Amino acid sequence: KAGVTQTPRYLIKTRGQQVTLSCSPISGHRSVSWYQQTPGQGLQFLFEYFSETQRNKGNFPGRFSGRQFSNSRSEMNVSTLELGDSALYLCASSPWAGQGARNEQFFGPGTRLTVL
Amino acid sequence: AQKVTQAQTEISVVEKEDVTLDCVYETRDTTYYLFWYKQPPSGELVFLIRRNSFDEQNEISGRYSWNFQKSTSSFNFTITASQVVDSAVYFCALELETGANSKLTFGKGITLSVRP
Repeated sequence: KAGVTQTPRYLIKTRGQQVTLSCSPISGHRSVSWYQQTPGQGLQFLFEYFSETQRNKGNFPGRFSGRQFSNSRSEMNVSTLELGDSALYLCASSPWAGQGARNEQFFGPGTRLTVL
Repeated sequence: AQKVTQAQTEISVVEKEDVTLDCVYETRDTTYYLFWYKQPPSGELVFLIRRNSFDEQNEISGRYSWNFQKSTSSFNFTITASQVVDSAVYFCALELETGANSKLTFGKGITLSVRP
């Protein structure tokens, strides 16, 4: 099976712009989560989608949003970019069925966003 | 609230040495899952192990072993006879089964350098 893919791998934007990142989960996985990784804050959970519904959300401002499509592919959007949004954004998919025991998550290579 | 503490930030060893990476977690839930992930320089998080809170058996997988002790809320990871390829950042993570906190909470990570 192909792993989790994320596009683009690298992105450079300027303050005030908006950006959309894409994630294709492993085939058959319906749960997709997004994380932000920075040197200062480490790995932080952004949100999780399951069957096109946001199930859980981390402590990030409303400028961060996401969605999931019927084929489980997911996108996250950051509007009005700030310098502090520069980070590695990781997407993870899981075979978890929406209830009961949590499965391990499989991570993509990430998108490195630089905000100038 | 759930929390994961990896007190060691950087560890440097010489090849073939054994090394233990410590992980202490906090949660009030009785059902939870513990994970270890490896992040090599390429950036992609690689799943190593998943443990549920009801299974305190230690696990060994090749040169890797894990010691789960609920009494001390610890889930330590030992690499035996370390190799240069083990050089990476290692993350311990905690996930609750249900509810609003059902998300992966990561520790800050431990940077392991294995010198030839």
